Amino acid sequence: ETGVTQTPRHLVMGMTNKKSLKCEQHLGHNAMYWYKQSAKKPLELMFVYSLEERVENNSVPSRFSPECPNSSHLFLHLHTLQPEDSALYLCASSRQTGNGYTFGSGTRLTVV
Amino acid sequence: GQQLNQSPQSMFIQEGEDVSMNCTSSSIFNTWLWYKQDPGEGPVLLIALYKAGELTSNGRLTAQFGTTRKDSFLNISASIPSDVGIYFCAGQENNDMRFGAGTRLTVKP
Repeated sequence: ETGVTQTPRHLVMGMTNKKSLKCEQHLGHNAMYWYKQSAKKPLELMFVYSLEERVENNSVPSRFSPECPNSSHLFLHLHTLQPEDSALYLCASSRQTGNGYTFGSGTRLTVV
Repeated sequence: GQQLNQSPQSMFIQEGEDVSMNCTSSSIFNTWLWYKQDPGEGPVLLIALYKAGELTSNGRLTAQFGTTRKDSFLNISASIPSDVGIYFCAGQENNDMRFGAGTRLTVKP
């Protein structure tokens, strides 16, 4: 247990489904991140929130929609995904943006 | 943005051997970090380096922050089966963190 909890650990969804990934941290960190990890590729930064405000959106398709209701929780809402969106989605938090991150265990997403 | 080149991409070694991997960048960073990712888990921080030339150890792991601030290496001595996993370097400059593509390590007993 790293202090960053992600649920669910595994998710299989159809292309027409709507689902949400959840991330929770009680480390007192002020920044939270969503990363996509595909096989043999570097971690891809998707979204950055600092003090509950989105500070970065790396040209992520609108079928991914983040939500940060407070500094401890981060969601990633998924809608009409494509098979190529299948990947491990990692949440991370840090005391400030760019500091050493604490990662969650990830959600393994499979789009069928 | 800044790209990190991490090598090798994968390594297959015998238990007890030493391992070395490195990361290079075209730009400078003010912090280098090394993470390990076990199968089915998220990356976990192993070592953080904050000063050019810094050499830091964590058990059998040793990492160095290159003097040019554009590179870093990680050594693992006397590898054991639980060293299996993917090792990532990360470079930080101001509020920006970049990751290498990872080195996948397999240790044969």
